[in-house]
Amino acid sequence: DQQVKQNSPSLSVQEGRISILNCDYTNSMFDYFLWYKKYPAEGPTFLISISSIKDKNEDGRFTVFLNKSAKHLSLHIVPSQPGDSAVYFCAASGSGSARQLTFGSGTQLTVLP
Amino acid sequence: KAGVTQTPRYLIKTRGQQVTLSCSPISGHRSVSWYQQTPGQGLQFLFEYFSETQRNKGNFPGRFSGRQFSNSRSEMNVSTLELGDSALYLCASSLEGNFGYGYTFGSGTRLTVV
Repeated sequence: DQQVKQNSPSLSVQEGRISILNCDYTNSMFDYFLWYKKYPAEGPTFLISISSIKDKNEDGRFTVFLNKSAKHLSLHIVPSQPGDSAVYFCAASGSGSARQLTFGSGTQLTVLP
Repeated sequence: KAGVTQTPRYLIKTRGQQVTLSCSPISGHRSVSWYQQTPGQGLQFLFEYFSETQRNKGNFPGRFSGRQFSNSRSEMNVSTLELGDSALYLCASSLEGNFGYGYTFGSGTRLTVV
């Protein structure tokens, strides 16, 4: 039972354009959502997060949107750069016994020069 | 400050053997979580240790176990290795284990079972 789903295994975008990565979740107890970026042979690196009480959080070129009613979040990267090419994981966290991170299966983003 | 250190980086074991992986968290971090990454499966939560106690456990068989020492360093052990245990094993440390933004991952141990 996948509680966090990233339905697009890969995405290619032209440099300078917007990249939109999507994530859906099923567990309504999740109250914190995060995006991690992972390069080969390295551990995931935290990118940006959002609490369930918000619907948008920005950090430079990265913006995360949360639609609680649809149980959907997205990561927007504007403008996309070749260095953004990596696997992006969406993750969610609950509280109490559900405080561990539950990850999606990842989306490979390729930014073409 | 030093990051999360995982040793060894690479490991090749034979089916049926056991293996122990080590994780040294960031100084001052008391929570250590372990994840398994396999192609197409994302990161699957194994367990979390906080102040030497297992606080959370994922849906893995009993062959997977772990422990945490008083200095917060953690080890995970896999007994009776199976081919399907081949994966990248990642550990993450945080101050209190709450909310993912505080999680710092190590580079992982790549385990290959032959």
